Amino acid sequence: QKEVEQNSGPLSVPEGAIASLNCTYSDRGSQSFFWYRQYSGKSPELIMFIYSNGDKEDGRFTAQLNKASQYVSLLIRDSQPSDSATYLCAVIGSSNTGKLIFGQGTTLQVKP
Amino acid sequence: EAQVTQNPRYLITVTGKKLTVTCSQNMNHEYMSWYRQDPGLGLRQIYYSMNVEVTDKGDVPEGYKVSRKEKRNFPLILESPSPNQTSLYFCASSVWDRAGEQYFGPGTRLTVT
Repeated sequence: QKEVEQNSGPLSVPEGAIASLNCTYSDRGSQSFFWYRQYSGKSPELIMFIYSNGDKEDGRFTAQLNKASQYVSLLIRDSQPSDSATYLCAVIGSSNTGKLIFGQGTTLQVKP
Repeated sequence: EAQVTQNPRYLITVTGKKLTVTCSQNMNHEYMSWYRQDPGLGLRQIYYSMNVEVTDKGDVPEGYKVSRKEKRNFPLILESPSPNQTSLYFCASSVWDRAGEQYFGPGTRLTVT
């Protein structure tokens, strides 16, 4: 079982819709969760982080964390073509605070 | 401007010829890390450093070396590159206690023939 799993996609949504990106992790003791966005040919950039159970909102982005289910998600409201990118879920596990483990990423396509 | 820089950005080399990829950050970050990104395998951590003279292995350290003699620099050394090290490499940095909130460099595309 991979430590951090994401559906590779592509996930295709129409412009203006809500895009829902999902991630599961295997280390039950993980404390810190991150979403990075990577445009084609570019480097990853951090867009959201969440440390506590529940929802965290930042503009059109909402990160959701459910530690009991070992599940973290990213919702993008009012999706725009400029949101088309690969979204990487990353986790810092319980045993090593310096080690950031990435999922393979989900490619999102927002169609005009 | 706050940034992480990497050099070179592109490199084609031959098997066995030692090379160094430099990484430098101007944000006074304690934490620095190296990743490789391969299709279907995602981003995998090679080495990381929590501070000067402190380094630790990530998930795929074999065939790589690092050193952290200065806070701003974290070079990646391939002493005898092999074709399976052909990849896209990223350096990243962060504040020491926010290791998940990393700033990434622009990447170095390495081809080993």
